[in-house]
This record gives sequence, structure tokens and C-alpha cells, in this order.
Amino acid sequence: SQQGEEDPQALSIQEGENATMNCSYKTSINNLQWYRQNSGRGLVHLILIRSNEREKHSGRLRVTLDTSKKSSSLLITASRAADTASYFCATDSYDKIIFGKGTRLHILP
Amino acid sequence: DTAVSQTPKYLVTQMGNDKSIKCEQNLGHDTMYWYKQDSKKFLKIMFSYNNKELIINETVPNRFSPKSPDKAHLNLHINSLELGDSAVYFCASSQGYSGGTVTGELFFGEGSRLTVL
Repeated sequence: SQQGEEDPQALSIQEGENATMNCSYKTSINNLQWYRQNSGRGLVHLILIRSNEREKHSGRLRVTLDTSKKSSSLLITASRAADTASYFCATDSYDKIIFGKGTRLHILP
Repeated sequence: DTAVSQTPKYLVTQMGNDKSIKCEQNLGHDTMYWYKQDSKKFLKIMFSYNNKELIINETVPNRFSPKSPDKAHLNLHINSLELGDSAVYFCASSQGYSGGTVTGELFFGEGSRLTVL
């Protein structure tokens, strides 16, 4: 069964703006991960945040986690054309990693 | 040096045929997976192997048979292909399990796009 649900499904912003994507999940987790998928390619891991962490940074990425609301957000600051991709949140559900449906991000020049 | 490699990248075949997709990882990971991504980009786990042993079989039809000859390889054989099998199949690996929970991030291959005519 699907665990994560990203919102919005699609997002178009101007280059240089910030992009925010949200993820909601259903059951308790040990950690939550975000992945990027460029068109026609495999998924690439971006960042992992543990259930006892509230915020994590990596370069232009900022991830927050609210376990009480069972939600996470991914913020990409100062977006670039190369950020155009689909972004997936993934949660651990017992013995497997389950992915949401993804947010398609399009950076406009 | 590719970490997770899968072949072939593209596969076009007729309904009813049997086909295989191969996957190899050189990361020294204990756990390997097969995921299926449909046309709406939904990624669904199919199988997971840990040290050559089947851990997860996510109610996949028995026409799909994974085989892990060693912990660096996980192949997927599909019998009697159906139109609905058309999708992109991704192989992935991770360090392993700790306390029954997947440890660390997943490393994905580039995908194998299967088209059944």
C-alpha cells in the first residue's frame, strides 16, 4: 500500500525562485527520505531525515519533518533549470521503503 | 564506474513471451530490490532480497520470478508477458537491515523500459 503522498502533483516556477514540495504519510516511521528522478533516469537520493530530527539542510535543500502531523516538506532555494525533475518522498514501512507518487517540478527560464 | 547497473535498458516484446532483466551492484550492499514504475510514475516495490534470501514478495504474480545467484546480483524473469507488464523496472540496493528496518538510502539503476505489444 502507498505510504507517502506528495503535494502538489506538479509545480512550475521561475528560475531563481524557491520551490516547496510537501509529503504526507500514514504510519509511524524511523526516517523519511527524498529522491530526485530526472526524465528517463533512475532515482537519486537527496537527503534522509530521522524521526527524531525536525530539520535538515544539504546545500540548497532544506527538509523539515513534523511527526505529529505525519508530514515533511522539501524546499529547494534559488532554483535552477537543472532542478527540473520529479521529486519523491520515501518512508520506511517495517521492512521496506515505500515511495509516494511524486511532484513534477518544472523550472522556467 | 556504475554502482547499480541493469540490462537491457529497453525491451520490446510480444505478449506471451518470456524475458529477463539482469541487475548487478558493486557497492558491497547486502540488500537488493526490484521496483516497478508505471506510466503515472508510481513506484511500487516488487521484491527484496537480503544476502540472497527473499525478504519481500509484494503480492506479485508468480509469472515474475526473481533470482539472486549472489548478493551482488538480482535478476528478474517474467513468464507469459501481458500488456499490463509494460512499465519501467528499477533495480536498487541498500546496505541492509537493522532491527528489521531498511538501513540507509537506496541506490537505483537507470531502469529497464519494458514494452509488451
